Amino acid sequence: KAGVTQTPRYLIKTRGQQVTLSCSPISGHRSVSWYQQTPGQGLQFLFEYFSETQRNKGNFPGRFSGRQFSNSRSEMNVSTLELGDSALYLCASRNDHGRREKLFFGSGTQLSVL
Amino acid sequence: AQSVTQPDIHITVSEGASLELRCNYSYGATPYLFWYVQSPGQGLQLLLKYFSGDTLVQGIKGFEAEFKRSQSSFNLRKPSVHWSDAAEYFCAVGASTGGFKTIFGAGTRLFVKA
Repeated sequence: KAGVTQTPRYLIKTRGQQVTLSCSPISGHRSVSWYQQTPGQGLQFLFEYFSETQRNKGNFPGRFSGRQFSNSRSEMNVSTLELGDSALYLCASRNDHGRREKLFFGSGTQLSVL
Repeated sequence: AQSVTQPDIHITVSEGASLELRCNYSYGATPYLFWYVQSPGQGLQLLLKYFSGDTLVQGIKGFEAEFKRSQSSFNLRKPSVHWSDAAEYFCAVGASTGGFKTIFGAGTRLFVKA
């Protein structure tokens, strides 16, 4: 089975722009979660989608949004980029959305905001 | 509120020496606990998990962890560290407040010296 695929791998944007990141989960996985990783902060939960519905959301401003398609692929969008949005954005998939399910991670998208 | 604390930002051990990474959690119900490892430029990979039963769990790559409810801890150990173990290690808890999600600690970066 192919793993979790995230595109693009690297991205450079300027303040005020918007960006869309893509995630293709492992085949058969219906849950996709998004995390923001910054040095010293660990992984901060953004949101989780299951069968095209947002099931959970972290404490991020409304500039961060996402969606999931019928084939379970997910996109995350950040509007009006700020310097503090520079981070590694990780996507993770799992078969179900229960709290005991382990996550399978992609390699991430490194976003730099200048 | 649910949280995970990893007190050590970074640890340096000599190759062949033993290793213990600390993790403390805060969660009101039965915790589902995980350890993940992240190699440079990669996503996270599950090392081991604890749901119930034997409090000493074995994982991949020779790692083990011990769950101690009285101390709210889930420390990761390895008897003899190899240079390839140099990576960042994340402790996590599966939570079910406001929907299911996995909450991560800030991570501990392990350096291995020859």
